[in-house]
Amino acid sequence: GAVVSQHPSWVICKSGTSVKIECRSLDFQATTMFWYRQFPKQSLMLMATSNEGSKATYEQGVEKDKFLINHASLTLSTLTVTSAHPEDSSFYICSARTAGGPYNEQFFGPGTRLTVL
Amino acid sequence: GQSLEQPSEVTAVEGAIVQINCTYQTSGFYGLSWYQQHDGGAPTFLSYNALDGLEETGRFSSFLSRSDSYGYLLLQELQMKDSASYFCVGGGAAGNKLTFGGGTRVLVKP
Repeated sequence: GAVVSQHPSWVICKSGTSVKIECRSLDFQATTMFWYRQFPKQSLMLMATSNEGSKATYEQGVEKDKFLINHASLTLSTLTVTSAHPEDSSFYICSARTAGGPYNEQFFGPGTRLTVL
Repeated sequence: GQSLEQPSEVTAVEGAIVQINCTYQTSGFYGLSWYQQHDGGAPTFLSYNALDGLEETGRFSSFLSRSDSYGYLLLQELQMKDSASYFCVGGGAAGNKLTFGGGTRVLVKP
């Protein structure tokens, strides 16, 4: 089956620093990847849609200058949380969809837990 | 946009049957799917309904009624490993965006 990996799985950083999270599709090409944020015991909230070779599309209320997304290849998308603050502490999850699969089936990475001190 | 409503929590015993209902409001409908997420883990796809009716996959079944904007996930012969959060999810077209419901936490007791 389709596998999506994320790196790192967890990260602790100081307030004001930037953190980069990688999302890779390991055995398929993904022209589109998605980034979600999930707070404890809450649902997944879509942050942005990452398109290979073009600018990401951000959801309403998500600061594009704070959450930088780069989709440089068909297998890699990165999310950089710039000038992180404690309120950015969350579980960040990426997903990708394979061509030809059920329309609503997306494959999710294992997530990255970010803690900002 | 889309919004999906589901109960926040359900508790049941091993071997029981649980039904998780989901009602939705959407300006465009591209099917209803269900995902399972264990604590600290990634969501995994369970099922997808594009048309009215019942889809059965092993112990899990999913139902959709588009006229009622309603669906449900049926978990049968509950096992301890079924303790997880279950999300009804709408969307798919328009850039393949998915919209997650609030999630239902299912706790299976011995």
